[in-house]
Amino acid sequence: NAGVMQNPRHLVRRRGQEARLRCSPMKGHSHVYWYRQLPEEGLKFMVYLQKENIIDESGMPKERFSAEFPKEGPSILRIQQVVRGDSAAYFCASSPPVAGGAGRGSYNEQFFGPGTRLTVL
Amino acid sequence: DAKTTQPPSMDCAEGRAANLPCNHSTISGNEYVYWYRQIHSQGPQYIIHGLKNNETNEMASLIITEDRKSSTLILPHATLRDTAVYYCIVRPYNFGNEKLTFGTGTRLTIIP
Repeated sequence: NAGVMQNPRHLVRRRGQEARLRCSPMKGHSHVYWYRQLPEEGLKFMVYLQKENIIDESGMPKERFSAEFPKEGPSILRIQQVVRGDSAAYFCASSPPVAGGAGRGSYNEQFFGPGTRLTVL
Repeated sequence: DAKTTQPPSMDCAEGRAANLPCNHSTISGNEYVYWYRQIHSQGPQYIIHGLKNNETNEMASLIITEDRKSSTLILPHATLRDTAVYYCIVRPYNFGNEKLTFGTGTRLTIIP
């Protein structure tokens, strides 16, 4: 079972361009999360999506950032008109559907991808 | 904001047990304690989680105090590959509240 896949692994954009980051969750996972890690900082939650629905976008900047998780295909994090401050590592995580009740082990565990490192020149 | 406090860094000799403390004095009754680690800019890796009982898996043990205000992650026989930043996270057991709130973590360095 392949893990969470993210592409590209490295992305270079000039100021004002658009960045598209893709995340393919693990097989059978219907929940996707995006996190951002600025240099020398911890990860910050951005958005939580299920298929075709945004569940929690409380960490998303109000402008230029959007995310989707269509019925078919990967989740996309889109950054329009990038600025230097957008340079960071962007991590995607996925988790399986919620079980019927309290569980152990992998219940609610989030599996992270390798990240996309965005550099804005 | 993270609801946990961890020392910024620790060293441990290879082969010894690494004990990483975490304070979570404001933890609520419905909140679990989770541990993740991040090895040199890779994606975070889940280690273990618990509510109030001590837990053990193939990677580590988690000891939670009786009042649940603090916990300790134990790596029983640390290897060089355990060098990483370790994050202690409290998270509600509440369907729909799925995000992880990472603090600054503890940078653990395993010394040969």
